[in-house]
Amino acid sequence: SQQGEEDPQALSIQEGENATMNCSYKTSINNLQWYRQNSGRGLVHLILIRSNEREKHSGRLRVTLDTSKKSSSLLITASRAADTASYFCATDARGSNYKLTFGKGTLLTVNP
Amino acid sequence: DTEVTQTPKHLVMGMTNKKSLKCEQHMGHRAMYWYKQKAKKPPELMFVYSYEKLSINESVPSRFSPECPNSSLLNLHLHALQPEDSALYLCASSPIGADYGYTFGSGTRLTVV
Repeated sequence: SQQGEEDPQALSIQEGENATMNCSYKTSINNLQWYRQNSGRGLVHLILIRSNEREKHSGRLRVTLDTSKKSSSLLITASRAADTASYFCATDARGSNYKLTFGKGTLLTVNP
Repeated sequence: DTEVTQTPKHLVMGMTNKKSLKCEQHMGHRAMYWYKQKAKKPPELMFVYSYEKLSINESVPSRFSPECPNSSLLNLHLHALQPEDSALYLCASSPIGADYGYTFGSGTRLTVV
């Protein structure tokens, strides 16, 4: 079963705009991670936020985590055409023994 | 070396064939993973190896047989596959311990005919 559920399923924006994707999950977690996938190839790890953290930044990425609501958001600022990809949240559930479970993903299209 | 290398990139096999997928990393990661991804779906965990021992098998059919011959290599042996097994097979690795991201290979696109 899928632990994370992303919202929206698809997002289309213009270059320079900000993109926000949300993720909800069901169980207690050790951490939550975001990955990017271009054209059905390998996934690239973007950022990891621990369960005791509320916000984290990396370049143009900002991730928030609300464990009371079991939700996270990924904000990409000043988007570029090269940011066009699928974005997945993934949760490392407590006691899961290295079982990273992916949500359904958000397909982001950034139009030039 | 910060990569996970998967070979082959593409594979077409018949339902009676036997083939193997290979995954290699030289980052010293002691956890390695196989994921299966169908089109427009998220990756689904198949197997986890930690310290070269199988620690998780997500009820994968026996026609998929994983092997971890050493700390750098992970194989997935395939036999008697079905057309519905056609998918992108992704290998990943990570350090052992909490709070590490995974490094993924670019995958093997498998087509069963």
